[in-house]
Amino acid sequence: QKEVEQNSGPLSVPEGAIASLNCTYSDRGSQSFFWYRQYSGKSPELIMSIYSNGDKEDGRFTAQLNKASQYVSLLIRDSQPSDSATYLCAVTASNSNSGYALNFGKGTSLLVTP
Amino acid sequence: GAGVSQSPRYKVAKRGQDVALRCDPISGHVSLFWYQQALGQGPEFLTYFQNEAQLDKSGLPSDRFFAERPEGSVSTLKIQRTQQEDSAVYLCASSPTATNEKLFFGSGTQLSVL
Repeated sequence: QKEVEQNSGPLSVPEGAIASLNCTYSDRGSQSFFWYRQYSGKSPELIMSIYSNGDKEDGRFTAQLNKASQYVSLLIRDSQPSDSATYLCAVTASNSNSGYALNFGKGTSLLVTP
Repeated sequence: GAGVSQSPRYKVAKRGQDVALRCDPISGHVSLFWYQQALGQGPEFLTYFQNEAQLDKSGLPSDRFFAERPEGSVSTLKIQRTQQEDSAVYLCASSPTATNEKLFFGSGTQLSVL
């Protein structure tokens, strides 16, 4: 079992709709959770971080965390074609030597159609 | 430059050759990470430096992989006796603090082992 699981997609949503991206993780000791966006052929870019249960909003993005269910999600409101990318969920590996290694999921490919 | 710089951008190696990949982090950044990203996969943690100290090398897949950051700035990832399974994009990321809270990724080095 992979430590971080994501549906690979592609997830297709029309422009202006809400895109919902989900992630589950197996490491119960994880305390830090991140969403990275990766355009094709480019490097990952941090868009959201979340550390406590509940919702965290930043512009059109909302991250949701439920540690009891080991579940993290990302909502993108008013989706734009420029949001089309792969979204990587990353979780701090609690058992790493440094405590700072991140376990990434394979990513969910999002396609926003005009 | 303002970002993380990696060189070379592309590297083709014959099986058995040694390669060296360079990372120039953002000036003043304390933390430096190396990740390996295979095609269609999320990044996999390799190693972590805090200044010149290598605090975590638990992700290095074998003793053929070696990383250093002798002066706490530029880092080199060396792979000896390359194998086909080493083919991947090698990503370097730096962070201004001694945490993983906000990683800035370089464009990566795409290594192809023939």
